[in-house]
Amino acid sequence: GAVVSQHPSRVICKSGTSVKIECRSLDFQATTMFWYRQFPKQSLMLMATSNEGSKATYEQGVEKDKFLINHASLTLSTLTVTSAHPEDSSFYICSARPPETGGPEAFFGQGTRLTVV
Amino acid sequence: SQQGEEDPQALSIQEGENATMNCSYKTSINNLQWYRQNSGRGLVHLILIRSNEREKHSGRLRVTLDTSKKSSSLLITASRAADTASYFCATVLGGANSKLTFGKGITLSVRP
Repeated sequence: GAVVSQHPSRVICKSGTSVKIECRSLDFQATTMFWYRQFPKQSLMLMATSNEGSKATYEQGVEKDKFLINHASLTLSTLTVTSAHPEDSSFYICSARPPETGGPEAFFGQGTRLTVV
Repeated sequence: SQQGEEDPQALSIQEGENATMNCSYKTSINNLQWYRQNSGRGLVHLILIRSNEREKHSGRLRVTLDTSKKSSSLLITASRAADTASYFCATVLGGANSKLTFGKGITLSVRP
């Protein structure tokens, strides 16, 4: 299947700093990528849909100025958590689908465990 | 907002037994997918069933869909300890780039 790579897998940062998480599609081009957040033992909550060459679409309640998304190329989307606070600590996961001919199933990155101290 | 509700929320079985997990959803869908997540990892797609299908098989997996009841079930036959993971159903309402809406998930433990 298609491969989506996410980096870093773990990051610890101090309150007030910013953290960037990368999501790459390794063997296909993705015009759309999805960013999720997952709290322990809970489901995935969609944060935003990242669109190559245009602005991301954020879900209701997600602060777009805090969670900056950039989808500058067909293989890379980045999520930057700005001015991080301990409540931003969570597991962040990205996903993408190969082009329409590839089917509707999504491929996920390995996830990034963010801890803000 | 979450679309799917799985039950049970946790399931513990003996190796070799079958595991059945159920998912209910609220709106009309284009397709429903099941994913698996090992602890602290990303999700892996298991199987997809379209709204005009009633049953699909893939290896030890069998998924059913009842659109009149807005429900789906995932059966894992002859379970193995390596099947221990969290399982999520996810619904897709629209076309290829439509978002997935996940249920709360089921934690499956398979005892050796």
